[in-house]
Amino acid sequence: GAGVSQSPSNKVTEKGKDVELRCDPISGHTALYWYRQSLGQGLEFLIYFQGNSAPDKSGLPSDRFSAERTGGSVSTLTIQRTQQEDSAVYLCASSSQGSNTEAFFGQGTRLTVV
Amino acid sequence: DAKTTQPPSMDCAEGRAANLPCNHSTISGNEYVYWYRQIHSQGPQYIIHGLKNNETNEMASLIITEDRKSSTLILPHATLRDTAVYYCIVSDFMDSNYQLIWGAGTKLIIKP
Repeated sequence: GAGVSQSPSNKVTEKGKDVELRCDPISGHTALYWYRQSLGQGLEFLIYFQGNSAPDKSGLPSDRFSAERTGGSVSTLTIQRTQQEDSAVYLCASSSQGSNTEAFFGQGTRLTVV
Repeated sequence: DAKTTQPPSMDCAEGRAANLPCNHSTISGNEYVYWYRQIHSQGPQYIIHGLKNNETNEMASLIITEDRKSSTLILPHATLRDTAVYYCIVSDFMDSNYQLIWGAGTKLIIKP
């Protein structure tokens, strides 16, 4: 596609439910990033994928969060047993390579846990 | 903690140049200065980046001081559509620095 696509754009879920957020990066981009943004705040790094290397999961806030990237393309961020503090906009970005290139962001998924 | 310091908000008149400052006094030799902006309810958008020299593209100009401890993003003729939060980030994208530590940015409001 022309840009990074994320789905769904909005998700309302009940506390304790699991959610899956999807990211389709720009075709050919080897690097993929997930960030979280709370209202009025900057972006918080969650996880980074680069090619076939093991992902850097150091930003994941708890073991309820996990992510995978299948075939080096589409990525899914899963949040298990959601809590109200998980409510935020989840942003995905991709870039052609990790070295000094711009990252292209999707529109984000707004997650609301009620 | 973010490696950059920016004013929380700024106003600029439509048609005038908007000058957004950023302090990055602890920047290392390999780190670039990146600018992104985020229009309400959208994902961040890349604007420009630079290492030492001033840079210009179709969106903006980036002026980096000689000691590299601060920079200024210049939008030469601001329009109402430039109203957004502007983020200044430093990163070398080497090792683990791709995490792009983001501060709260500067909320720029363009007034008619």
